[in-house]
Amino acid sequence: GAVVSQHPSWVICKSGTSVKIECRSLDFQATTMFWYRQFPKQSLMLMATSNEGSKATYEQGVEKDKFLINHASLTLSTLTVTSAHPEDSSFYICSAVQGGVYAQYFGAGTRLSVL
Amino acid sequence: GQQVMQIPQYQHVQEGEDFTTYCNSSTTLSNIQWYKQRPGGHPVFLIQLVKSGEVKKQKRLTFQFGEAKKNSSLHITATQTTDVGTYFCAGPHNDMRFGAGTRLTVKP
Repeated sequence: GAVVSQHPSWVICKSGTSVKIECRSLDFQATTMFWYRQFPKQSLMLMATSNEGSKATYEQGVEKDKFLINHASLTLSTLTVTSAHPEDSSFYICSAVQGGVYAQYFGAGTRLSVL
Repeated sequence: GQQVMQIPQYQHVQEGEDFTTYCNSSTTLSNIQWYKQRPGGHPVFLIQLVKSGEVKKQKRLTFQFGEAKKNSSLHITATQTTDVGTYFCAGPHNDMRFGAGTRLTVKP
C-alpha cells in the first residue's frame, strides 16, 4: 500500500528558531500533498495544499511567510515553521494523494514543542 | 468555504452494540471520504463515496451517501474493541474539509 513518511516525529525547539518538517511518499508519486494541524482531541485543520512544482495554496488565516511550504518533487514536500513561538506548538501532519486516486495517505505526524 | 458537520462528538458503547456517526454538509458534495484515526495514530483512509444514494460495505462497516449528496453516515454493526478510535468524514477531495470527528470508545 501507499506509504508516507514524515520526519521528524517529535521536535523541541527554542522560541525564535525555525523547524523543517519533511513529508515523503515512499512508493508512489504524490501529485498533491496536504499539510494539517491538529490540536489534542480535535479535528484536522487544513493549512495548505501543495502541488509539485507550483506555489502552495494556503487556507485563510494561515500565514504563508510563517509556514513555508516547498514541494520540489513528486515525492517530497517540506513545511518550515519560521521563527517558531510557543503558540505554534502543535501536531503537524501531512498527507499525500496519488494522481487519479483520491484517498489521502497520511504521515505519522510531527509533534512540535516550542519552548 | 464548505463546512462539514459531524455528530455525535463522542460515543461510548458496550462491545457488541452498534454505532453510527453522521456527517452533514451545508452544500452539495461531489464526494465524501471516511477516515479512522486510532489513539496516538494518524488518519487512515477507509472509503470514498461518490454517487447519490451510494451504499458501500466493508465487513461490519456500512457507509451511505445521501440522495442529495449533503449527508453521509458510517454504521458499525456489533462493535469490537478494535473499532476504538476517531472516525472522520472529509470532503470533497478537491477542497478537503474534515468533520470534527466522532470518538468511539468500546467497553469490553
